[in-house]
Amino acid sequence: QVQLVESGGGVVQPGTSLRLSCAASGFTFSDYAMHWVRQAPGKGLEWLAVISYDGGHKYYADSVMGRFPISRDNSKNTLYLQTNSLRVEDTAVYYCAKGASPKAAGYYGMGLWGQGTTVTVSS
Amino acid sequence: QTVVTQEPSFSVSPGGTVTLTCGLSSGSVSSSNWPSWYQQTPGQAPRTLIYSANTRSSGVPDRFSGSILGNKAALTISGAQADDESDYYCVLYVGSGISVFGGGTKLTVL
Repeated sequence: QVQLVESGGGVVQPGTSLRLSCAASGFTFSDYAMHWVRQAPGKGLEWLAVISYDGGHKYYADSVMGRFPISRDNSKNTLYLQTNSLRVEDTAVYYCAKGASPKAAGYYGMGLWGQGTTVTVSS
Repeated sequence: QTVVTQEPSFSVSPGGTVTLTCGLSSGSVSSSNWPSWYQQTPGQAPRTLIYSANTRSSGVPDRFSGSILGNKAALTISGAQADDESDYYCVLYVGSGISVFGGGTKLTVL
């Protein structure tokens, strides 16, 4: 079964960190670029970051550049987002998404999505 | 900062056809922006409909089609059904590896 399962969310205080994970199964993970997208409560979707299929290229939205490094471990079929220096405005559901086509650049679009993990930043 | 624009809301009658659009605050949309479209119902994860402007994702019915119309990307839904009532988001590639979501269109079928 082709699926993505996010984990690692929780309730944290401002200034702290969380590492989000996205476990992939049912497809050749190492063939696909991977994205992180978030959605604040009652708001639209926000693209955060993409990593190429081999991990050699990483790109970020201005809102998270320098705070939320993206990484992947192709031997473990897992994608990560290290969320540092969390702010109240980072409160959101965080989704991972598989690239639309194998060995394609991230800008081709997204394919399969996970169900999301919730991060709540509150004092 | 690049802004991707979408109609905030749209309505369509059951069985009707609707075209949602996706534009850029500065300039025209072309195939080089690799437009993609996503459907989301409340409380659910998004679902991919279209990528690379006009390629339907696996399992998406051919009632959904993507195109470039004039200076915008477009998503056309033909034969609208009640369960098409959702939020629809587009994404555009704006260069330097960065993609940007539009604000979304809330589609009502009535």
